[in-house]
Amino acid sequence: RKEVEQDPGPFNVPEGATVAFNCTYSNSASQSFFWYRQDCRKEPKLLMSVYSSGNEDGRFTAQLNRASQYISLLIRDSKLSDSATYLCVVNLEYTGNQFYFGTGTSLTVIP
Amino acid sequence: DGGITQSPKYLFRKEGQNVTLSCEQNLNHDAMYWYRQDPGQGLRLIYYSQIVNDFQKGDIAEGYSVSREKKESFPLTVTSAQKNPTAFYLCASSQQMWNTEAFFGQGTRLTVV
Repeated sequence: RKEVEQDPGPFNVPEGATVAFNCTYSNSASQSFFWYRQDCRKEPKLLMSVYSSGNEDGRFTAQLNRASQYISLLIRDSKLSDSATYLCVVNLEYTGNQFYFGTGTSLTVIP
Repeated sequence: DGGITQSPKYLFRKEGQNVTLSCEQNLNHDAMYWYRQDPGQGLRLIYYSQIVNDFQKGDIAEGYSVSREKKESFPLTVTSAQKNPTAFYLCASSQQMWNTEAFFGQGTRLTVV
């Protein structure tokens, strides 16, 4: 069983739409959670950390549900520049601070 | 500027050759990682190191080797034993603290010709 599972998509949405991605993780001992963004043929870059109380950064909102072991990312008012692959990442400190990556969800925002 | 530098950006290798990918960071991070990414797939961990002179195998270590002689440097050698080395290789580093993210280099795209 994979440590982190994501729906690969693709998600094709019009500009201005709201889109949500979910991600599940298998290890209840997971301690830190992140969303990364990866543009085509580029390295992943941190979009936002995910805190237990939920957190928001502009048009982006991340939520964590420890009981159900899932993480979500909500993007409001989608822009063309939001087109990318979004990676869900989980960190397990007791395994030597390893980061486990989902396969990513592809988003294309259409004019 | 602080960051992680990978070189080269593109690398071509003949079958049967060993090649070494460079990764240097000036973020003073203890932990460093090597990942491999294939088209349409997620990142898979090759090796990681939590401290100088120590490293552990990840999920797909066969055909690869690493060293960690200096805190700033974590080179990856792709040996001839790696049967399908063509991929995008990403190096990352992080602090050994709770809820700190991994920072990535720009990646090396390796192609076997």
